[in-house]
Amino acid sequence: QQKVQQSPESLTVSEGAMASLNCTFSDGTSNNFRWYRQHSAKGLEVLVSIFSDGEKEEGRFTAHLNRANLHVSLHIREPQPSDSAVYLCAVSGIASSSFSKLVFGQGTSLSVVP
Amino acid sequence: GGIITQTPKFLIGQEGQKLTLKCQQNFNHDTMYWYRQDSGKGLRLIYYSITENDLQKGDLSEGYDASREKKSSFSLTVTSAQKNEMAVFLCASSPGTGGYEQYFGPGTRLTVL
Repeated sequence: QQKVQQSPESLTVSEGAMASLNCTFSDGTSNNFRWYRQHSAKGLEVLVSIFSDGEKEEGRFTAHLNRANLHVSLHIREPQPSDSAVYLCAVSGIASSSFSKLVFGQGTSLSVVP
Repeated sequence: GGIITQTPKFLIGQEGQKLTLKCQQNFNHDTMYWYRQDSGKGLRLIYYSITENDLQKGDLSEGYDASREKKSSFSLTVTSAQKNEMAVFLCASSPGTGGYEQYFGPGTRLTVL
């Protein structure tokens, strides 16, 4: 069964410094990777979706996927205090299943301090 | 664009009580989902529905029932609330099940006294 782990559990960065979040997954046949942001008491907002090895940029958010290493990362350029939230990695699309179930990591809590 | 509405925003119940959470979407999406989010943990799938009147169990379906009587709405019932049920329940929808983007509602926070 797919396992998704995120690190670090929490991260504090200064405004303007790069923030890097990591996610590892267990099933190398996965082909669908998403990073979500969740502000307190709100729903999930998708930031970046990536489906092949390499990089995908959406504004200040860049995802980097390396399926051979079972690793996907999120880099936030010039983070602002409004980026303080929980970031969730979600993986789906394993070859053994016809239903593309999203499996989530436990989240990284990001604080951006002025 | 569209929106997903979840009611109520906060739900307080007694242990053993039957509690119902509701979700509405106006995306005209076929597939809807219910997830549970515990503090410090990721989302776990409770039930999903591929189309109206369809129900599929997720990883965490024991202790829950679901109902999809209309394409636009999906209800979740906690059959007998337990103290360790305290969590946030998130509803989502997508055009289909084949890796499409899922759009999430704001959640219902459940507290069991």
